[in-house]
Amino acid sequence: GAGVSQSPSNKVTEKGKDVELRCDPISGHTALYWYRQSLGQGLEFLIYFQGNSAPDKSGLPSDRFSAERTGGSVSTLTIQRTQQEDSAVYLCASSLDGGFSYEQYFGPGTRLTVT
Amino acid sequence: QQPVQSPQAVILREGEDAVINCSSSKALYSVHWYRQKHGEAPVFLMILLKGGEQKGHEKISASFNEKKQQSSLYLTASQLSYSGTYFCGTEMLPGTGNQFYFGTGTSLTVIP
Repeated sequence: GAGVSQSPSNKVTEKGKDVELRCDPISGHTALYWYRQSLGQGLEFLIYFQGNSAPDKSGLPSDRFSAERTGGSVSTLTIQRTQQEDSAVYLCASSLDGGFSYEQYFGPGTRLTVT
Repeated sequence: QQPVQSPQAVILREGEDAVINCSSSKALYSVHWYRQKHGEAPVFLMILLKGGEQKGHEKISASFNEKKQQSSLYLTASQLSYSGTYFCGTEMLPGTGNQFYFGTGTSLTVIP
């Protein structure tokens, strides 16, 4: 595609429910990143994929968070048993190659609201 | 480990210059700069790599002092379109934890 796409754009869920957020990176980009941005705050790194593997999962805030990437393309971020503090905008980015030495192209984000 | 940016906020008139600083307590391999407008995703401005290589495509310059673990973004002759929040992102040296941290952000407002 022309850019990074994310779905859904908005998600409202009840506390305790599971949610899945999807990211479709730019075609040909091997690296994929997930970030979280709380209201008025900076970007918090969550996880990074190089191909289908995740060399760095250190940013995942708890074991309720998991992510996978299949076929070296689409990635899904899953949050189990959502809590109110999970409310944030979840941003996905992709880059041509791995590591952090290449510019990242960000998607529009998924705004998650946990009630 | 999150880099600290200064100032937190700045207001400029069109045509004025600004400098945004980014400091880390850890040895850095690269520094990224992004700009985010309200309600939009961050947009890449520049990458500075250890060893001096610099990649960017806008009329904005930056420096990277590896010894001091600092980077500065220079905005000259500011335009209204420069308004937004600027984030630096820092990549740690390989072997020290391959993490990437964004800074605290600097809100820049350019007024006519």
